[in-house]
Amino acid sequence: AQTVTQSQPEMSVQEAETVTLSCTYDTSESDYYLFWYKQPPSRQMILVIRQEAYKQQNATENRFSVNFQKAAKSFSLKISDSQLGDAAMYFCAYRSPPNSGNTPLVFGKGTRLSVIA
Amino acid sequence: DTGVSQDPRHKITKRGQNVTFRCDPISEHNRLYWYRQTLGQGPEFLTYFQNEAQLEKSRLLSDRFSAERPKGSFSTLEIQRTEQGDSAMYLCASSSPTDTQYFGPGTRLTVL
Repeated sequence: AQTVTQSQPEMSVQEAETVTLSCTYDTSESDYYLFWYKQPPSRQMILVIRQEAYKQQNATENRFSVNFQKAAKSFSLKISDSQLGDAAMYFCAYRSPPNSGNTPLVFGKGTRLSVIA
Repeated sequence: DTGVSQDPRHKITKRGQNVTFRCDPISEHNRLYWYRQTLGQGPEFLTYFQNEAQLEKSRLLSDRFSAERPKGSFSTLEIQRTEQGDSAMYLCASSSPTDTQYFGPGTRLTVL
């Protein structure tokens, strides 16, 4: 079974600075998807960024980018120019490819990010 | 498209009572998922549907839990004889077969 590990329960960053959240995973599959979701306090979970394992290029969405190291099974999230609205729980998630018949997400335990004004 | 909606947002019940939650997915999405999230943890998979067929159930889904998705549209999750350990946030998500899962706001259940 696949597992996802987020080793940083809490992180903090100064406003306008850059922060990197870590995620590692364990799988025997060669093709899969990885995600970062953001869950603000008392608000719903929203997708931040998605990476397909077959793509060598790291995904980027505005101020959010990932460092995907397939051999190391590492998938970190970098947030640039941090804003107060970035404060939230961040979850790393793994999903098997659609044709595997196994589509539920496997989540890590999350990293709580605080942004200091 | 208003996204995934869930009802109720909060439910407080006494131990031993039955509760039912509803999820309305994004209209063109044929896959619907239920997850449970306890405090300080990431969501854990419970079950999922493709159209009206329930294709997978987690070991977390005891026989007190039942889910349905009649006509492949909205879904309900029922918990019978609730226990204090059932207290959690119940999240619903939907997706098309090859697409990303989008989550609803969740139903927070408190069992007294």
